[in-house]
Amino acid sequence: AQRVTQPEKLLSVFKGAPVELKCNYSYSGSPELFWYVQYSRQRLQLLLRHISRESIKGFTADLNKGETSFHLKKPFAQEEDSAMYYCALGGTQGGSEKLVFGKGTKLTVNP
Amino acid sequence: DSGVTQTPKHLITATGQRVTLRCSPRSGDLSVYWYQQSLDQGLQFLIQYYNGEERAKGNILERFSAQQFPDLHSELNLSSLELGDSALYFCASSASGRSPLHFGNGTRLTVT
Repeated sequence: AQRVTQPEKLLSVFKGAPVELKCNYSYSGSPELFWYVQYSRQRLQLLLRHISRESIKGFTADLNKGETSFHLKKPFAQEEDSAMYYCALGGTQGGSEKLVFGKGTKLTVNP
Repeated sequence: DSGVTQTPKHLITATGQRVTLRCSPRSGDLSVYWYQQSLDQGLQFLIQYYNGEERAKGNILERFSAQQFPDLHSELNLSSLELGDSALYFCASSASGRSPLHFGNGTRLTVT
């Protein structure tokens, strides 16, 4: 079964500090992993996908298949990074392709 | 703008009533997903359609139903509404099940 775990419901850091939002997944096949961000109860927006290996708004995420993790990192957090972050896993289950979301981590960046 | 359109933006109704939420996917996207987001439950997957057919079901109550029409727009019907159904309902679309989802701005449902 596909499963995504984001162990931290809340994460609070100071501006300029490094931030890491954890995501672990469980999936027997070849995973596709994404990070979505939601600002102030607006729509969810795609932030990163692992196959792109890009950096968006200073965030990066590396897929670690050995640890089944896809942690989101930023070296210097900004106040505008405060938002809900959701990790998502794309895979095939029961013949259907589906995307499973973690429960989300609320990041607060304090001035 | 994600290209996914949801109407209405806000809906206020009374317990026991029935409402219909509408979603138009991005042009070319065949998959439509519905999610419920409440303060205490987070983002809950409800149901997925692909090209008019139901593909996956999540935590969708029997009082709720959905369909995807030939023009690919989708409707989520919520009936016998309860106070606990108050939430943000998001629609998302994608080209396929493993592609990134593009979310609409959501419909905020308030049941009084």
